[in-house]
Amino acid sequence: SQTIHQWPATLVQPVGSPLSLECTVEGTSNPNLYWYRQAAGRGLQLLFYSVGIGQISSEVPQNLSASRPQDRQFILSSKKLLLSDSGFYLCAWSNGLAGSEQYFGPGTRLTVT
Amino acid sequence: DAKTTQPNSMESNEEEPVHLPCNHSTISGTDYIHWYRQLPSQGPEYVIHGLTSNVNNRMASLAIAEDRKSSTLILHRATLRDAAVYYCILRDGGNKLVFGAGTILRVKS
Repeated sequence: SQTIHQWPATLVQPVGSPLSLECTVEGTSNPNLYWYRQAAGRGLQLLFYSVGIGQISSEVPQNLSASRPQDRQFILSSKKLLLSDSGFYLCAWSNGLAGSEQYFGPGTRLTVT
Repeated sequence: DAKTTQPNSMESNEEEPVHLPCNHSTISGTDYIHWYRQLPSQGPEYVIHGLTSNVNNRMASLAIAEDRKSSTLILHRATLRDAAVYYCILRDGGNKLVFGAGTILRVKS
């Protein structure tokens, strides 16, 4: 069966510090991968998605970037965090077929102070 | 992205069925109807999806109107663990899920 991992589970970082969040998927190959953010009390917003190694699509202009160095690894980064980057970051995967469902990881709760 | 409309909140008694409605009058022929739910402090959980026909799985049933402009998620026997935000989403052949505000389901014991 497929499993999706995210770490760390929680993170407190000062403004201006760098960020690296990691997501890995097990039990499937060539998945579509996604990064979402959920601000406090708000809905989920798609940040990035990837259909293959090195292929990243950005949905919103922002202070963040994403990379996919391996087939089942997806990384979210920032060089300098802003207060507005605080939120609940979720990674998800799907099998890439039209209309297919997405499966979400446990999330990382980031607080920028 | 085609839009969905859901009630802000609903309440149910434990052990009773729950029918969560969703309107999607601008649905296109290639849009799949997806349902997810999110418990507090957790990531969304896939519940069910369908295209034209009604669907059943171990978690729920999805009833789709004949004109596809509305659908209903049916939880056959609500438990306290079903209390969550339920999202109805139209998914086209692309890569995006666009989450709205969803329906907050409260389950009373």
